[in-house]
Amino acid sequence: QKEVEQDPGPLSVPEGAIVSLNCTYSNSAFQYFMWYRQYSRKGPELLMYTYSSGNKEDGRFTAQVDKSSKYISLFIRDSQPSDSATYLCAMSAPRSDMRFGAGTRLTVKP
Amino acid sequence: GAVVSQHPSWVICKSGTSVKIECRSLDFQATTMFWYRQFPKQSLMLMATSNEGSKATYEQGVEKDKFLINHASLTLSTLTVTSAHPEDSSFYICSARSSGITDTQYFGPGTRLTVL
Repeated sequence: QKEVEQDPGPLSVPEGAIVSLNCTYSNSAFQYFMWYRQYSRKGPELLMYTYSSGNKEDGRFTAQVDKSSKYISLFIRDSQPSDSATYLCAMSAPRSDMRFGAGTRLTVKP
Repeated sequence: GAVVSQHPSWVICKSGTSVKIECRSLDFQATTMFWYRQFPKQSLMLMATSNEGSKATYEQGVEKDKFLINHASLTLSTLTVTSAHPEDSSFYICSARSSGITDTQYFGPGTRLTVL
């Protein structure tokens, strides 16, 4: 079993839809949870950062962490074609290397 | 947010030559830097982890003599692909971890290497 599981998709939605991206993990020591967005031929860009459990909102993006279920989510409201990218979840324990999901390819169609 | 740069962004070289890629953290000190490789439509593959002033730790299957990593300062790490071959053609991305509390990695924009 991989430490971090993420459905690679691809996921295609119409413009304006709510997008839900998810990851599960097995290591209960993970405390830091991140979502990165990667456009084609570019480096990943940090989108959301959450420490421990809870929700965090930033504009159209909401990150949720449920440590009891070892499950994290990223919601994108009012999705736009410019949101089309690969979204990577990542997590780490204190002072340990980060573990990445496989990435979900998202396409938002106009 | 923290900024990481990579240079060059794109390089084409002949088979058998060596190529050096630089990774710099521009506005923070990075005690640890990471080098990844990414093939088209695939996820990041960690190649090695380097801590400033010490030897890099390579992932299983990564040839340390082929991919030389130097982390000479808190803001600069270099990856040298020695005697490059066409199968080394890939997208190489570095990231830097800040030494603050957030424990987050910030990625560079990547370097596309094409070996002819």
